[in-house]
Amino acid sequence: GQQVMQIPQYQHVQEGEDFTTYCNSSTTLSNIQWYKQRPGGHPVFLIQLVKSGEVKKQKRLTFQFGEAKKNSSLHITATQTTDVGTYFCAGRESGGGADGLTFGKGTHLIIQP
Amino acid sequence: EAGVAQSPRYKIIEKRQSVAFWCNPISGHATLYWYQQILGQGPKLLIQFQNNGVVDDSQLPKDRFSAERLKGVDSTLKIQPAKLEDSAVYLCASSPGGQQKLFFGSGTQLSVL
Repeated sequence: GQQVMQIPQYQHVQEGEDFTTYCNSSTTLSNIQWYKQRPGGHPVFLIQLVKSGEVKKQKRLTFQFGEAKKNSSLHITATQTTDVGTYFCAGRESGGGADGLTFGKGTHLIIQP
Repeated sequence: EAGVAQSPRYKIIEKRQSVAFWCNPISGHATLYWYQQILGQGPKLLIQFQNNGVVDDSQLPKDRFSAERLKGVDSTLKIQPAKLEDSAVYLCASSPGGQQKLFFGSGTQLSVL
């Protein structure tokens, strides 16, 4: 079955430093979504990427979808303490009958003030 | 707009006991998902409903887990009998349908002793 891998598993940064998490799928995706989960909370939708090579920005967050639609990345510029949490990518397999998302294990972002 | 409602928030049971979780999705959302999230990991899809029909239950341990969505609105997920490895947060999510974003409930944290 489809597998979605994320690296790194944990990332410690000083406040103000940049942060990047990478996501790779074992199969071609129709689209990929990113979610953020605060400690003790539930996943909250951030963005969806659909097109090959697509780049989207949300303030300090930049999301990219690879040309082959098998990988993606999330980059945060100048992290703030409010960015603490776990970032998950979740992909939908291209051509799959069902449209349930397969989540990666997430990258836990820890920020030291 | 009301979000996805789940209950109970917490549940502690002994192994071999049974337990049930309830979910009420956002009004009008045709698609409902149950995910299992083990501590430190990403959500894993258990079952997906489209209205009151099952779209994907390929990862549902059917010997002990069951789920239903009568009338295409709220849903229940049952475990009988529970095992130690079932300790996790059970997340319900809904979406309007198609390949749109998921709205998650706060989850039910299950501890099996």
